[in-house]
Amino acid sequence: SQQGEEDPQALSIQEGENATMNCSYKTSINNLQWYRQNSGRGLVHLILIRSNEREKHSGRLRVTLDTSKKSSSLLITASRAADTASYFCASREAAGNKLTFGGGTRVLVKP
Amino acid sequence: DAGVIQSPRHEVTEMGQEVTLRCKPISGHDYLFWYRQTMMRGLELLIYFNNNVPIDDSGMPEDRFSAKMPNASFSTLKIQPSEPRDSAVYFCASSLYSPEAFFGQGTRLTVV
Repeated sequence: SQQGEEDPQALSIQEGENATMNCSYKTSINNLQWYRQNSGRGLVHLILIRSNEREKHSGRLRVTLDTSKKSSSLLITASRAADTASYFCASREAAGNKLTFGGGTRVLVKP
Repeated sequence: DAGVIQSPRHEVTEMGQEVTLRCKPISGHDYLFWYRQTMMRGLELLIYFNNNVPIDDSGMPEDRFSAKMPNASFSTLKIQPSEPRDSAVYFCASSLYSPEAFFGQGTRLTVV
């Protein structure tokens, strides 16, 4: 079964706009990770936030984590057409170190 | 390192046939995960190993599915007998204890 849900399921924006997607998870975690998947390809890791962190930045990516609400958000600033992909959150569970994924958000950035 | 290597990339088989998917993790990684991705069910964790030992196989859909990791550099996922509803993309991923997982390119399985 999926660890959590992602919201929205799909997002369409214009190039230059920001894209925000949210993720919820169910169990205690070691960390929360975000991945990107281009059509027909494997998943590629983007950014990791540890359970004792609240916010993390990497280039145009900003991730927040609220362990009290068991939720995370990913913000992509100044989006580009090349950011068009599906984005998945994944929780690394504290018990057993299992890595489980949410349902993903499909992002379309229109040039 | 060449990354996680999966084979074959594509597999088309007839219902009832045995299918074996293969995975070579990144050298030194001690976790290996098998996932199945479909439009309807998203990315499902089937089973994962730590140091070649299966830790959690609760995601394996039925007894038709089995996975092995005979050594640190090789794992297989077998479906016997295969059914059309097994059609999906199967991913293998490996990682160290806590950081990110590295995914293979996947095996697209079609059962007709």
